[in-house]
Amino acid sequence: DTAVSQTPKYLVTQMGNDKSIKCEQNLGHDTMYWYKQDSKKFLKIMFSYNNKELIINETVPNRFSPKSPDKAHLNLHINSLELGDSAVYFCASSRDTTNEKLFFGSGTQLSVL
Amino acid sequence: GESVGLHLPTLSVQEGDNSIINCAYSNSASDYFIWYKQESGKGPQFIIDIRSNMDKRQGQRVTVLLNKTVKHLSLQIAATQPGDSAVYFCAEGYSSASKIIFGSGTRLSIRP
Repeated sequence: DTAVSQTPKYLVTQMGNDKSIKCEQNLGHDTMYWYKQDSKKFLKIMFSYNNKELIINETVPNRFSPKSPDKAHLNLHINSLELGDSAVYFCASSRDTTNEKLFFGSGTQLSVL
Repeated sequence: GESVGLHLPTLSVQEGDNSIINCAYSNSASDYFIWYKQESGKGPQFIIDIRSNMDKRQGQRVTVLLNKTVKHLSLQIAATQPGDSAVYFCAEGYSSASKIIFGSGTRLSIRP
């Protein structure tokens, strides 16, 4: 069983479209995250949720809207996609917010054409 | 802003030799440090961590060293194997911010 699973693995879309990425963890963790990895492999945190509540929002454009229906799921919706949104998006989870180790999904490679 | 690590360098190591990957961090308030391994097409995977009250921690074939005086972190991999080929990230966290900040990573390649 995959601990942190995200779908889709690949997403190719046109500029201006709206798309969603889904993430689920079966580890019983309280905290979930979205990270963005650019073409130079730099990983930057975007959002963090703890028990369905937003706790970190790292100056991400408001075109990005995370939603956590329950603590096992954290989805990411992106409106009006731009070329600069092309990246690999990783979902992750941790037991709680006290800097426990992160468990990552396998990533969603988003290509905006 | 906060900064962990350097631009993505590449370290080439002969199979069987030891590898040392270095990382500099700038936030003296950080109290938790982690190394992650990212293989091609996969998400980062936890390797080993260390808290700021320690200066060394050992795992299976890996050792992390922390020098708080110069804000330096290193990962030592003993008897490097082909399966160790990956990008390695150091990361830092501090309790008051409840977030992990990643450095820019080092690519480790293994020569046969």
